[in-house]
Amino acid sequence: DGGITQSPKYLFRKEGQNVTLSCEQNLNHDAMYWYRQDPGQGLRLIYYSQIVNDFQKGDIAEGYSVSREKKESFPLTVTSAQKNPTAFYLCASSPYRRSSYNEQFFGPGTRLTVL
Amino acid sequence: DQQVKQNSPSLSVQEGRISILNCDYTNSMFDYFLWYKKYPAEGPTFLISISSIKDKNEDGRFTVFLNKSAKHLSLHIVPSQPGDSAVYFCAASDTNTGNQFYFGTGTSLTVIP
Repeated sequence: DGGITQSPKYLFRKEGQNVTLSCEQNLNHDAMYWYRQDPGQGLRLIYYSQIVNDFQKGDIAEGYSVSREKKESFPLTVTSAQKNPTAFYLCASSPYRRSSYNEQFFGPGTRLTVL
Repeated sequence: DQQVKQNSPSLSVQEGRISILNCDYTNSMFDYFLWYKKYPAEGPTFLISISSIKDKNEDGRFTVFLNKSAKHLSLHIVPSQPGDSAVYFCAASDTNTGNQFYFGTGTSLTVIP
């Protein structure tokens, strides 16, 4: 089955610890994205990558880091510098073809709670 | 600055009636618009899309209307069913600059049996 997997579903960490959220896709999509959702807010873009070994900051990149060493994988690290890390994190992917109409496919999300 | 806005946080409709969800945008360069449906603690699922060369796109019970001059789009669900109860997000993209999508804050739809 093709799709996007995020693990784990729920994650708890102590304040001050870095934590890495996993995102894997087998859709052969070039582009991958990380979003954050907070109650009453929309999806806010953290980072995105349109090609392996390249990524760009989104609107709220501070306190986060990413890597894109493989096409299938786009892990997100929430660092201790992120002031309010408790949130629902969503990973997405899409084919990347400029000037084409492509939707994003989302993973099931990871709920991160920092205690 | 929010480029895509959904001004109604919630909407309740009776089963069988029409649900109309609205979305406004500010960037005139957006040329592709999508609606996603989201259940709690799950990822959004793609529902329907429309490009700026059209003003209407229909898929079964779901129809999206685009009014470019007003920078407004709407999603119509007819007839509404209890299983449609979810949060609906609209999203917009300028495909000429890449695949970055801008999402609204969502509208929570409740369909009352």
